[in-house]
Amino acid sequence: DGGITQSPKYLFRKEGQNVTLSCEQNLNHDAMYWYRQDPGQGLRLIYYSQIVNDFQKGDIAEGYSVSREKKESFPLTVTSAQKNPTAFYLCASTGAVDNEQFFGPGTRLTVL
Amino acid sequence: KQEVTQIPAALSVPEGENLVLNCSFTDSAIYNLQWFRQDPGKGLTSLLLIQSSQREQTSGRLNASLDKSSGRSTLYIAASQPGDSATYLCAVEEYNTDKLIFGTGTRLQVFP
Repeated sequence: DGGITQSPKYLFRKEGQNVTLSCEQNLNHDAMYWYRQDPGQGLRLIYYSQIVNDFQKGDIAEGYSVSREKKESFPLTVTSAQKNPTAFYLCASTGAVDNEQFFGPGTRLTVL
Repeated sequence: KQEVTQIPAALSVPEGENLVLNCSFTDSAIYNLQWFRQDPGKGLTSLLLIQSSQREQTSGRLNASLDKSSGRSTLYIAASQPGDSATYLCAVEEYNTDKLIFGTGTRLQVFP
């Protein structure tokens, strides 16, 4: 089955720890995205990558980092510098044909 | 700066009703508009994608229209069912950005 997978589904972090969220796609898409979703708010873009070994900051990149070493993978690290990291994190990818965006199932991060 | 607004924020209807969800955007220079469905605690599912040159798209009981000049899109759901209960989000992609800008969604409940 083609699609986007995210792991883990739930993640708990102590304050001061860095954590890495996984995102993998087998859709052969070039572009990948990370969003954050908070209750009552729309999705906000954290980082995006249009091609391997390249990525750009989105609207709320502070406290986050990414890498794009492989086309299929776009991991997101939530660092201790992110002051309010508890949220639902969504990964997405876009094909080149019509730019339709597809999403993974999400990771819910909770800071204890 | 592009802003996307969805009205109403919440909607509750009896099963069988035809209903319309609204999406408006402030800058008409968009590349496409996409409607998504999100179930609680899940990722987004793409419903319909309308390119800027198109006026509408249909999939089953769903029909989405686009009026760029007025900055509006509507999602029409025919013969609503309890399984349609979810949050519906619209998002626009501006030219030369490869990024989506999301509305905050309409939470729909269809009761038997």
